[in-house]
Amino acid sequence: SAVISQKPSRDICQRGTSLTIQCQVDSQVTMMFWYRQQPGQSLTLIATANQGSEATYESGFVIDKFPISRPNLTFSTLTVSNMSPEDSSIYLCSAWAGDYGYTFGSGTRLTVV
Amino acid sequence: DAKTTQPPSMDCAEGRAANLPCNHSTISGNEYVYWYRQIHSQGPQYIIHGLKNNETNEMASLIITEDRKSSTLILPHATLRDTAVYYCIVPTNTGNQFYFGTGTSLTVIP
Repeated sequence: SAVISQKPSRDICQRGTSLTIQCQVDSQVTMMFWYRQQPGQSLTLIATANQGSEATYESGFVIDKFPISRPNLTFSTLTVSNMSPEDSSIYLCSAWAGDYGYTFGSGTRLTVV
Repeated sequence: DAKTTQPPSMDCAEGRAANLPCNHSTISGNEYVYWYRQIHSQGPQYIIHGLKNNETNEMASLIITEDRKSSTLILPHATLRDTAVYYCIVPTNTGNQFYFGTGTSLTVIP
């Protein structure tokens, strides 16, 4: 099954700045997904990222706040822009792994101070 | 939106079978049921999936009712390392998105 490398694993950022999270898949995948997990909560889908087209955002998430790039079939980035303490969460990417459903990155633990 | 409901928490004695239920009463005929678990806020880990037949792998067994409106994940001999949040997911049949519900927090007790 596909393996995803996600980085950074954690970061502490100043409010008002931006952080870009990267996910590299070891095989070509059509669809990638980005999730947010707030403290003590379940995972919330942010957007679906297909190569060659703009990401599709879920209700409550907008491109200006969470721009996504998908330059090829093995890579995607999520930027958390103009951060505030409310953006402190774990951010995860995932991709289709064939017979095993979706595989997930190990997550980026973001703290905004 | 998540199409599944699960009890928020369960306990299980170490060495005993853990049976985790899930209701998915609106499931369509061609939609699979997937089970994942998440340990200490790591990335969710695939456990098993099925369509209509019961499934078994090295990690667990999945029992799906005949009407497919519910399923049960069985961990046959729970260990302390099985303490995690378990998610039952039915992907959308349009874009294959995974919408996570609240899951079941399983605590394995020594």
